[in-house]
Amino acid sequence: AQTVTQSQPEMSVQEAETVTLSCTYDTSESDYYLFWYKQPPSRQMILVIRQEAYKQQNATENRFSVNFQKAAKSFSLKISDSQLGDAAMYFCASLNSGGSNYKLTFGKGTLLTVNP
Amino acid sequence: EAGVAQSPRYKIIEKRQSVAFWCNPISGHATLYWYQQILGQGPKLLIQFQNNGVVDDSQLPKDRFSAERLKGVDSTLKIQPAKLEDSAVYLCASSPQGYRTTGELFFGEGSRLTVL
Repeated sequence: AQTVTQSQPEMSVQEAETVTLSCTYDTSESDYYLFWYKQPPSRQMILVIRQEAYKQQNATENRFSVNFQKAAKSFSLKISDSQLGDAAMYFCASLNSGGSNYKLTFGKGTLLTVNP
Repeated sequence: EAGVAQSPRYKIIEKRQSVAFWCNPISGHATLYWYQQILGQGPKLLIQFQNNGVVDDSQLPKDRFSAERLKGVDSTLKIQPAKLEDSAVYLCASSPQGYRTTGELFFGEGSRLTVL
């Protein structure tokens, strides 16, 4: 079974600064995907960034980047130049791509506050 | 492109009453998911449909929850009778062909249920 752990229930950052959200996961699969999803208050969850486990290079999407440490089963999200619109709940999730049934497992989330 | 539509957005009921939630996925998306998100927790998969067939309902409390996707398009999730612990946001998500394409799920805004 897959588990995803986010050890930071809440984080805060000053506008324009950088913040890192932590995530660890556990899976027995060799082939899997990792995601960070963002859930703004009362709005739908959207994908922020995606990492394939077989890729050594860390994924980046504009101001968002990950630090993927496969051996340590760690997958942190770095947000650079934080903006007020980044304030949201962030969920780390893992997906095993082996077999015919794909299951996405979420962590409990980290609530990010951006201070002006 | 229209996103995932859900209704109602909010529902308040007494315990032991019944409630139904409706979801219309993105056009052409074969896979539809219902997640339960209890306050302070990450989303938990209740049921996954591939077209109109059930792929995974292992975490669906079948004594009180039911879901259908009769024509392989929209879906209804029903709870009868509701319990206090069913208070949560019910998220619907869809993806083109399970997770095979990008692994990304597209979420609706959710239906918030309060059971008194």
